[in-house]
Amino acid sequence: DAGVIQSPRHEVTEMGQEVTLRCKPISGHNSLFWYRQTMMRGLELLIYFNNNVPIDDSGMPEDRFSAKMPNASFSTLKIQPSEPRDSAVYFCASSSPTGPPYNEQFFGPGTRLTVL
Amino acid sequence: GENVEQHPSTLSVQEGDSAVIKCTYSDSASNYFPWYKQELGKGPQLIIDIRSNVGEKKDQRIAVTLNKTAKHFSLHITETQPEDSAVYFCAASNFGNEKLTFGTGTRLTIIP
Repeated sequence: DAGVIQSPRHEVTEMGQEVTLRCKPISGHNSLFWYRQTMMRGLELLIYFNNNVPIDDSGMPEDRFSAKMPNASFSTLKIQPSEPRDSAVYFCASSSPTGPPYNEQFFGPGTRLTVL
Repeated sequence: GENVEQHPSTLSVQEGDSAVIKCTYSDSASNYFPWYKQELGKGPQLIIDIRSNVGEKKDQRIAVTLNKTAKHFSLHITETQPEDSAVYFCAASNFGNEKLTFGTGTRLTIIP
């Protein structure tokens, strides 16, 4: 299994531009999570989906952020317009309803976003 | 909601010595406590977890203890090796809830 796949691995953009991050979860996993990691705030959950439906988006910072999961094998996180304070590493993770271990989240390698 | 505090933020130990990382949680309904290890340039990876019906769990050089009354849990690494150098995160959740609340992380450095 290839694990969780994220693209791009690095993104450098200018303030005001639209940014789209992509994630392919592990096949058979039915939950998908988007996290943001910064030195100041640590690892923050932005949103998570179960069976392609958004369950909790309380961590989404503001309306500039949106996430979609059109099917079981693909999700996007979009920032429009981007701002310098959005610079962070964004992780996607997926999990399976079966276990043990239960609730284990498998993380992708992350996308390092830099907004100039 | 749940709040997880983690200490220390950085920890340096001599190779071969033990390392201990501590976490406290606020929600008494939490009953699942995983620990994740994040190596440089990679995403976090689960290394061990414990459920609230167990006080201690061990896996080779790694052990986790849980004190439900005090609402704290700890990670113990014995006979540390250079490959143990990483950032470690504790987390908490309610078993029926997939959402994990993570601590702020501990950067562990093993000194050769």
